[in-house]
Amino acid sequence: EPEVTQTPSHQVTQMGQEVILRCVPISNHLYFYWYRQILGQKVEFLVSFYNNEISEKSEIFDDQFSVERPDGSNFTLKIRSTKLEDSAMYFCASSTRAGANVLTFGAGSRLTVL
Amino acid sequence: AQSVTQLGSHVSVSEGALVLLRCNYSSSVPPYLFWYVQYPNQGLQLLLKYTSAATLVKGINGFEAEFKKSETSFHLTKPSAHMSDAAEYFCAVSQIQGAQKLVFGQGTRLTINP
Repeated sequence: EPEVTQTPSHQVTQMGQEVILRCVPISNHLYFYWYRQILGQKVEFLVSFYNNEISEKSEIFDDQFSVERPDGSNFTLKIRSTKLEDSAMYFCASSTRAGANVLTFGAGSRLTVL
Repeated sequence: AQSVTQLGSHVSVSEGALVLLRCNYSSSVPPYLFWYVQYPNQGLQLLLKYTSAATLVKGINGFEAEFKKSETSFHLTKPSAHMSDAAEYFCAVSQIQGAQKLVFGQGTRLTINP
């Protein structure tokens, strides 16, 4: 069964450092998403991406965050200067279309900022 | 704005007993509703979804959920719990049209006792 692959599974970084989280969505999917879950809190929407541009973003997704689809397979989330509060599990997801279509999630990348 | 409330962050049942995980939603427009499950070290996996067709929705692994508009609820049930059902369960809501994001509840951890 097709799956969404995320790397790394766990990254530890120092505050202020740049981090790039990588995702390989399902090959025929057109919509891509990042969500995050701070320990003990809800899974929160960060951003959606379609046709090489951001289609929607939350208030969490400020100027420190960016997304990119550098080639035909990868979808990346970059945090320019990490803060302690960026420590969370980051989930990538993809879907064939927007709206209420089913999102397929990756296993997540755990980011720890020290 | 949409929101989801899951009653009970932790539910414990005996093997063979009924599983009932509660979810209430708030939405100003007709919603789509989802239940996702997360097993340890894995991504979020779709259990079932409600998309304005039948109000009783059957999903994988013997789970089902009933959409009750009058109660704004979408509770998840399974007649007989198995040890393999131990996981974190998330209820989520999205809009029928337009919005591409899921709004999640805080999750319910289900423990199965032998």
